Amino acid sequence: EAQVTQNPRYLITVTGKKLTVTCSQNMNHEYMSWYRQDPGLGLRQIYYSMNVEVTDKGDVPEGYKVSRKEKRNFPLILESPSPNQTSLYFCASSPGLGQGALGANVLTFGAGSRLTVL
Amino acid sequence: LAKTTQPISMDSYEGQEVNITCSHNNIATNDYITWYQQFPSQGPRFIIQGYKTKVTNEVASLFIPADRKSSTLSLPRVSLSDTAVYYCLVGVSGGYNKLIFGAGTRLAVHP
Repeated sequence: EAQVTQNPRYLITVTGKKLTVTCSQNMNHEYMSWYRQDPGLGLRQIYYSMNVEVTDKGDVPEGYKVSRKEKRNFPLILESPSPNQTSLYFCASSPGLGQGALGANVLTFGAGSRLTVL
Repeated sequence: LAKTTQPISMDSYEGQEVNITCSHNNIATNDYITWYQQFPSQGPRFIIQGYKTKVTNEVASLFIPADRKSSTLSLPRVSLSDTAVYYCLVGVSGGYNKLIFGAGTRLAVHP
């Protein structure tokens, strides 16, 4: 089954304790992205990756890191989590066929990871 | 940036047709318009995508006028299970990299 898998689905941690949320897709997609979702603010992009070893900041990258060493994996790293990073996080991927191509930005989302930082 | 604007919320009743309009005044020539549906605590799910005129699939229709500065998602004969948040997404000018979501429209379908 074509899917985006995130882990963990739920996590409660404390301020300053480094954590990683993993994301893996089995569709050979080039484009991957992380979003956070907070009440009343919709989906905000954290980081995105056009392909292996190519990453760039989204709208709210502060406090996060990412890496794209393999095409299928795009982990989100919180080096020193703070309470304002308590949120629902989504990983997504798309074929990345290029600007203007039908289906290029059709995203497949993971089930979400609910993170609480105390 | 091709910012989108949608109504914050809408209410409807079972069996009615629902139309949700999204404004995207700065849409680029090559941008497609994509709509997603999101249920609570789930990731958004693709509904429909279009470039111009009208697109229809088994779930919805998408109407895009000639100037492409807006689009309308049409849900025929909604049911309670269509209660969700609907997002309009337009590719960012110069590339599809940032894929900025708007705040979405919260649709409530009543019995």
